[in-house]
Amino acid sequence: DTEVTQTPKHLVMGMTNKKSLKCEQHMGHRAMYWYKQKAKKPPELMFVYSYEKLSINESVPSRFSPECPNSSLLNLHLHALQPEDSALYLCASRGPRDPSNEQFFGPGTRLTVL
Amino acid sequence: QKEVEQNSGPLSVPEGAIASLNCTYSDRGSQSFFWYRQYSGKSPELIMSIYSNGDKEDGRFTAQLNKASQYVSLLIRDSQPSDSATYLCAVKVTGGGNKLTFGTGTQLKVEL
Repeated sequence: DTEVTQTPKHLVMGMTNKKSLKCEQHMGHRAMYWYKQKAKKPPELMFVYSYEKLSINESVPSRFSPECPNSSLLNLHLHALQPEDSALYLCASRGPRDPSNEQFFGPGTRLTVL
Repeated sequence: QKEVEQNSGPLSVPEGAIASLNCTYSDRGSQSFFWYRQYSGKSPELIMSIYSNGDKEDGRFTAQLNKASQYVSLLIRDSQPSDSATYLCAVKVTGGGNKLTFGTGTQLKVEL
């Protein structure tokens, strides 16, 4: 089963709000990713967790705060966002180390910042 | 120079034809290559991965890799209107820490 789930599907928030995006996978994968995707652009990597530790932060502003409570869960905490942060936020998980290193995406959270 | 390049399209093919999508990459040490299909408003869906030179077939899809020429392609046989989507090429580059570098995607339109 190659399923990654994300909640909520849609989120509208004001610039002063605090909200969280959630991601879950039950494939036993030990690497999980957050991406941001704007319309007609490819996914843009934000964070990578490997074995529940943050391994890559692509110089993301501190108003985005990732958290990996356990190997199956990944959160993205949002605070004081800007309208330009409106995008599709994608979570992905990666299979075991082998030549393929396939990444599987969740359905995404469509975020609108007012 | 972009690391992963794709023609943005749109690529229009008639129903039943073969659609050929191409991708070139700049890092000779790249190890693994992926094709994702993305419908408008949806998330990317992995359809093929390839890491050895040659062809890899899965149903109507064939991925082709030529590391010497640094290109990877995706052939879709018997194209259907449901194949109309954006196809993203992604490459795992050397020393990239398990990051994928994506191309900008090719929009495919299969016409009735």
